[in-house]
Amino acid sequence: SQKIEQNSEALNIQEGKTATLTCNYTNYSPAYLQWYRQDPGRGPVFLLLIRENEKEKRKERLKVTFDTTLKQSLFHITASQPADSATYLCALPGGYNKLIFGAGTRLAVHP
Amino acid sequence: EPEVTQTPSHQVTQMGQEVILRCVPISNHLYFYWYRQILGQKVEFLVSFYNNEISEKSEIFDDQFSVERPDGSNFTLKIRSTKLEDSAMYFCASSAGTSGGAGEQFFGPGTRLTVL
Repeated sequence: SQKIEQNSEALNIQEGKTATLTCNYTNYSPAYLQWYRQDPGRGPVFLLLIRENEKEKRKERLKVTFDTTLKQSLFHITASQPADSATYLCALPGGYNKLIFGAGTRLAVHP
Repeated sequence: EPEVTQTPSHQVTQMGQEVILRCVPISNHLYFYWYRQILGQKVEFLVSFYNNEISEKSEIFDDQFSVERPDGSNFTLKIRSTKLEDSAMYFCASSAGTSGGAGEQFFGPGTRLTVL
């Protein structure tokens, strides 16, 4: 079955810097990959979806890349702000109609 | 902006009791889901529902669990006889299905279930 690996250690960065989070998967390359944000005690919030034929996707300060050869996606937040502090989850389709989530990486942006 | 709502926000129950968790998905969405998240662990898929029937379910979703869409707006998860290990945050989600299959999903705020 598909396994998703995200860095379990928290990422601490200074405000204004670029945060880069990694998502690696182990088995088949999915048709698309998604990133969600989760704040403590809250539900995941959809951020971006990137398809296998897209190398890169941007939305405001967010950028996602998808390398099916490396089986890896990188998630970047440029000009990071303390309000970006949260846990970021990578998710892949685990069947036609379900998502498999990674454990997430906690990002802390310090003023 | 449309959002998924869930009630109650917190449910405390005794082991062996039945609980029903309620959700109102976004009105024009076609796919509905339940996930759960045990404290400190990852979000886990339980079940998906489309066209008034279960389309996929996980190993966790055994005979103790059931889902229903009793009317055009509500979507419920029932746990017949709760166990201590059912204590978790339960999230309802819905999607329009425009990206095909498990496309972008919109999650509710969750119901924290505590089984004593």
